[in-house]
Order: sequence, then structure tokens, then C-alpha cells
Amino acid sequence: IAGITQAPTSQILAAGRRMTLRCTQDMRHNAMYWYRQDLGLGLRLIHYSNTAGTTGKGEVPDGYSVSRANTDDFPLTLASAVPSQTSVYFCASSVNRDTEAFFGQGTRLTVV
Amino acid sequence: LAKTTQPISMDSYEGQEVNITCSHNNIATNDYITWYQQFPSQGPRFIIQGYKTKVTNEVASLFIPADRKSSTLSLPRVSLSDTAVYYCLVGNSFSSGSARQLTFGSGTQLTVLP
Repeated sequence: IAGITQAPTSQILAAGRRMTLRCTQDMRHNAMYWYRQDLGLGLRLIHYSNTAGTTGKGEVPDGYSVSRANTDDFPLTLASAVPSQTSVYFCASSVNRDTEAFFGQGTRLTVV
Repeated sequence: LAKTTQPISMDSYEGQEVNITCSHNNIATNDYITWYQQFPSQGPRFIIQGYKTKVTNEVASLFIPADRKSSTLSLPRVSLSDTAVYYCLVGNSFSSGSARQLTFGSGTQLTVLP
């Protein structure tokens, strides 16, 4: 069982470029989330989706967009990357928004 | 958002019991308390969750006093592999909005020494 898979594992990106981080889960969870984690800080919620077809903004949504066309996939897009978006990005999913969340291994993104 | 306060770091030795306390003075009636563990270069992993009194599983125990304004995660007989960051979360939903969002603070870096 794969659980939740993120791709790529790491990426160096030039500022101004567009980038999509991929997230796929095979647990048929309704809810999915994107977090960013910066050095020495906890995880901050970027966007979430409580169910396929719906999305919502988290604490730090600016500069990011998401879509939830189906249950399994929840891509995160940076339309025009900036250095402040250098971070480790974690995707997570849960059966529902109030149940245990399972996290992916993370994507380390460096914007230069 | 329910604010939590926990120690920045703790050291322990192998075989000892470790107790990490989290303060959450503004916990609401519908909030529950959840602890996650994070190893370097990995995503957080669920450890335990509780609402009141005591909860125990194969990994840890969670003690919650009657007023629920604090909680203590207890790890029995820690080993080197328990070195990680431990997060205390209070709320009832991972999503934002009107629900009480579960948020990750800075966590407690536990270092287990040989």
C-alpha cells in the first residue's frame, strides 16, 4: 500500500517559473491538505480540500493554487515562484477533516 | 485557533520515561488533543489523541486533567530512535474556517542520548 505519494522529492526552481507539486493518495480519503514547513517552524496550512470538487484557503495561501478534480489527486501550483516559497512542502490526507491525517514524505523546493 | 505552548527542547537518556507537557488554556468544548511525531526529512506521524482523562496505546500515553487546559504525552522507556520533534495540536478539524483548526506549533525537539 503506497499511502500518500508526493513528487518530485526535491526541486530547484528559477524565480518566476511555474511549478506543480503532485500529491496522490490511494486510501480513498475525502480530505487532503498542503502544508509548508520552514526551518525551525511548524507546519502551516496552505490549502485544503474537504472532498473532491471543493477547495479552501489555509493560513498562507498567497502565491499558491490547488485543484481537486478527483479523490486521489491534489496538485499544488506555484504560478510564478519567488524565493520566499523556498520550503519543504507536505501533502496530507484524512478520512474526513476531523480524523487522523497521514502525511507524505515531502517535497523540498528551492527557488533561486 | 487554539494556541498551544510546549517546551522547545528536551533531552533524555535511553530507557527513561519522557513526559512532554503542552499548555492549551483556550481549549474549547469540542476540541480534542492530538500529538504527532516528526523525524528529520519525513512527514509528521500520528501518535495519540484524547479528549479527557487518560488514553494509552502501544506507543504512548496521554494524560489530560479535568480542566483540559494542559496535557502530557508520556513515552515509556525511550530509545535513540525516539529522537524527533513532537507536536501538540488542539482543535477539531484540519481544515480552516469556522471549525477549530488543528495547527502545528513549533513542537518539542526530543533528543534521546545513549
